[in-house]
Amino acid sequence: AQSVAQPEDQVNVAEGNPLTVKCTYSVSGNPYLFWYVQYPNRGLQFLLKYITGDNLVKGSYGFEAEFNKSQTSFHLKKPSALVSDSALYFCAVRDQYNFNKFYFGSGTKLNVKP
Amino acid sequence: ETGVTQSPTHLIKTRGQQVTLRCSSQSGHNTVSWYQQALGQGPQFIFQYYREEENGRGNFPPRFSGLQFPNYSSELNVNALELDDSALYLCASSSPSVANTDTQYFGPGTRLTVL
Repeated sequence: AQSVAQPEDQVNVAEGNPLTVKCTYSVSGNPYLFWYVQYPNRGLQFLLKYITGDNLVKGSYGFEAEFNKSQTSFHLKKPSALVSDSALYFCAVRDQYNFNKFYFGSGTKLNVKP
Repeated sequence: ETGVTQSPTHLIKTRGQQVTLRCSSQSGHNTVSWYQQALGQGPQFIFQYYREEENGRGNFPPRFSGLQFPNYSSELNVNALELDDSALYLCASSSPSVANTDTQYFGPGTRLTVL
């Protein structure tokens, strides 16, 4: 079965500092991993995905994620956080057989303080 | 913003009633997936429609049903509403490619409150 885990309910970081939001995965077969962001009262917005290729994936709004097969992790990163990055972040993995079925983590709330 | 739209934005129903939620997919997308996001949780997959046929279902009872129309828009119907059905309902559209790696694009959601 496919699943992802986000071990931190909340991450606090000062503006201008680097940020990391953690995600670990459990899959059978090749992992197809995604990050989405959700602002209050809004739907999910796609940030980036890993399908294959380079372990460092670059996405929207300056975010990037590092795929680590040995640690089964797919952590979201940004070199310099902005207050406007404050939101709820979800990691997701695609089902191996139903390609449009995603399994989402429980979410991590990112708070960026001025 | 994606081209996925959902209506209504908010809805209040009472236990036992029935509700219909609507979704218009992004132009060119023929697949619609529905998710339920309870407060403080990640989205849970309800089901998916591809070319007007249900194509995969999550762990939801039969009182959750859906339709997809020839223009690829979709409806989610929930019968015999229960208090636990209160949630944000998200629709996502995509267009499977040969590699089946396409991204899902989400609408803004419908907030359903069951009293």
